Amino acid sequence: NAGVTQTPKFQVLKTGQSMTLQCAQDMNHNSMYWYRQDPGMGLRLIYYSASEGTTDKGEVPNGYNVSRLNKREFSLRLESAAPSQTSVYFCASSGRTRDRTDTQYFGPGTRLTVL
Amino acid sequence: AQSVAQPEDQVNVAEGNPLTVKCTYSVSGNPYLFWYVQYPNRGLQFLLKYITGDNLVKGSYGFEAEFNKSQTSFHLKKPSALVSDSALYFCAVRVSGGSYIPTFGRGTSLIVHP
Repeated sequence: NAGVTQTPKFQVLKTGQSMTLQCAQDMNHNSMYWYRQDPGMGLRLIYYSASEGTTDKGEVPNGYNVSRLNKREFSLRLESAAPSQTSVYFCASSGRTRDRTDTQYFGPGTRLTVL
Repeated sequence: AQSVAQPEDQVNVAEGNPLTVKCTYSVSGNPYLFWYVQYPNRGLQFLLKYITGDNLVKGSYGFEAEFNKSQTSFHLKKPSALVSDSALYFCAVRVSGGSYIPTFGRGTSLIVHP
């Protein structure tokens, strides 16, 4: 039981390049999320997916796209990377629990630098 | 609307002393409250949560948190700090029966000195 996994762990891009961050979970969770973490800003929600086949914008969606490939996988794509997208990206998942709190579980993160 | 504030960017404590990391919240309704810990270069790990009932919640690694409805607070505590507790701590809130997406605080860096 690996929980939430993310690839790659590190990535350096040049401005204008594109890339896709991959996320997978093996907890049979319905909901998945992408966050970015910047110093002093805490976690900011980029996109989320309540269930397979649905995606919604979060707080900071501009410059990103997502795909909920199936129940396990949720990818984040940067079409044309900008230096402002230098950040640490976390994927998370949650499932409806008996206590109805939908506790989130996080992956290890992807550290992205855009030059 | 829901929001959470962590008023301290950094907390310093000596090993063996009690520690407190503060969190206050605002929701329209009953809150679900969470604490997460992030060790260097790692993802967030769930520590504990408050749902309802007992105001003192016990979690992983000897941590506990006290829910105070009148002060809208959910402070994280530990009776005796360890150097290995040094990490970034996040408080999060969501409203019971509302959106399942929590709102996170900005995080508090806990530094435990030997």
